[in-house]
Amino acid sequence: DIQMTQSPSSVSPSVGDTVTITCRASRNITSWLAWYQQKPGEAPKLLIFPASSLQSGVPSRFSGSGSGTDFTLTIGSLQPEDFATYYCQQLHGFPPLTFGGGTKVQIK
Amino acid sequence: EVQLVESGGGLVQPGRSLRLSCAASGFSFDDYAMHWVRQAPGKGLEWVSGISWNSGSIGYADSVKGRFTISRDNAKNSLYLQMNSLGPEDTALYYCAKGGMTTVTPFDYWGQGTLVTVSS
Repeated sequence: DIQMTQSPSSVSPSVGDTVTITCRASRNITSWLAWYQQKPGEAPKLLIFPASSLQSGVPSRFSGSGSGTDFTLTIGSLQPEDFATYYCQQLHGFPPLTFGGGTKVQIK
Repeated sequence: EVQLVESGGGLVQPGRSLRLSCAASGFSFDDYAMHWVRQAPGKGLEWVSGISWNSGSIGYADSVKGRFTISRDNAKNSLYLQMNSLGPEDTALYYCAKGGMTTVTPFDYWGQGTLVTVSS
């Protein structure tokens, strides 16, 4: 099975900061990676798939990059509504469709 | 508007069974893969199981293999998860999620979840 390792597990930036979250796959998943945002009490929301393609309606301050085993989610000029937990997910091997452990972005 | 509404959760004793349902609307249900994802209290997301549009491809997480069974009824626009031999580790909010045309496409719509609590 493909394992997904996210880092950091939490980060405490200020509004306006740039945040970078990394996700590493245990083997090559090409660009078959998705990023999700989850706010407290809500279901996750798809942000990016494949690795660098923003979903419709997602603000352009979000960007994704990477291929193979190493991926990055960057949030530029962090807004108050961006404080949430972010998850990566590999979609290269089924089953399972593994999620990373999550990165909580909380207000400093 | 796409809607996914889960039901069937509740409090159940260890070793017992439970069947979750997900009623789908607002899209051509029989064209898309569907999945179950769970989230234990205060924890991250765990993919549980997925099924292709025609039930020809089915997969499970190792943690539930042999105990859980996913199924779908395209005529009823419904997804199911039969959960047997439940243990405390299965306590979680269970989400139904819509995939894409294949099982290896991301989840673009999610329900609000149904809570399963396994406790004596």
